[in-house]
Amino acid sequence: DSGVTQTPKHLITATGQRVTLRCSPRSGDLSVYWYQQSLDQGLQFLIHYYNGEERAKGNILERFSAQQFPDLHSELNLSSLELGDSALYFCASSVGSLGSTDTQYFGPGTRLTVL
Amino acid sequence: QQQVKQSPQSLIVQKGGISIINCAYENTAFDYFPWYQQFPGKGPALLIAIRPDVSEKKEGRFTISFNKSAKQFSLHIMDSQPGDSATYFCAASRSGGGADGLTFGKGTHLIIQP
Repeated sequence: DSGVTQTPKHLITATGQRVTLRCSPRSGDLSVYWYQQSLDQGLQFLIHYYNGEERAKGNILERFSAQQFPDLHSELNLSSLELGDSALYFCASSVGSLGSTDTQYFGPGTRLTVL
Repeated sequence: QQQVKQSPQSLIVQKGGISIINCAYENTAFDYFPWYQQFPGKGPALLIAIRPDVSEKKEGRFTISFNKSAKQFSLHIMDSQPGDSATYFCAASRSGGGADGLTFGKGTHLIIQP
C-alpha cells in the first residue's frame, strides 16, 4: 500500500458526460501528479500540483482540468467525455517541489469506461 | 515523439535466469531514471532509480546500468523468480524548472516461468 488513495475505483459513464476523480496524497506529501494509462499511449503525465499551485502540464486535454485543495487532496475533472478517454487514471504524490526527482508514490488508480 | 524507448515489449525468462530490459532516451536534460514495477490491477511502484553521476546501482537482485554517452540504461533482474512476473516501466525526468512529471517507456511484460 503506497499510502495514496484514489476514488472511485471504477467509473462507467456515457459520452458527453463529466466526471471527477479524487486523490488523497500520502501524509506529508505536497506534490500531486496525475497520469493517464491507456493501451495505445502507455503512461502519460497530465499535470502536477504542488501545495495548491499548478507546477507543470503535460499531455492534458483542454477538456480536462485539475485542482489541489488546501487539505492537499486533488481532483481531476474530465468533461465532454469521448470514447477515447477510457483509461486508467493514476495520481502519484511526492514530498517536495523538486517533484519529478523525488520518489513518486502511485495510487491504485481509477478505471474510467466511457460508453 | 517518444522520448523514452523501451525494449523488449515482452520477455519470458526461466526461473533463476537473468531478465534484461533496455531503455534509451533522447532528452539530454533528463537527470533521473527510475524503474517502476506494476502488477495487474495495481499502480506502478518504484523499484530502483539512478542518477547520471553513477554508471551502476544495485539493490538486492535488481541492478540498473547507465550509459550516459549512449543515452541508454537497463534493468537487470538476477535470479528471476515467478513473483517478479509483472510489467516493468523505465522512466526519466529532469530536476528543477517546471517539475515535469515522469516520461515513461511503453513497458515490458515480464513472465518468469517456473
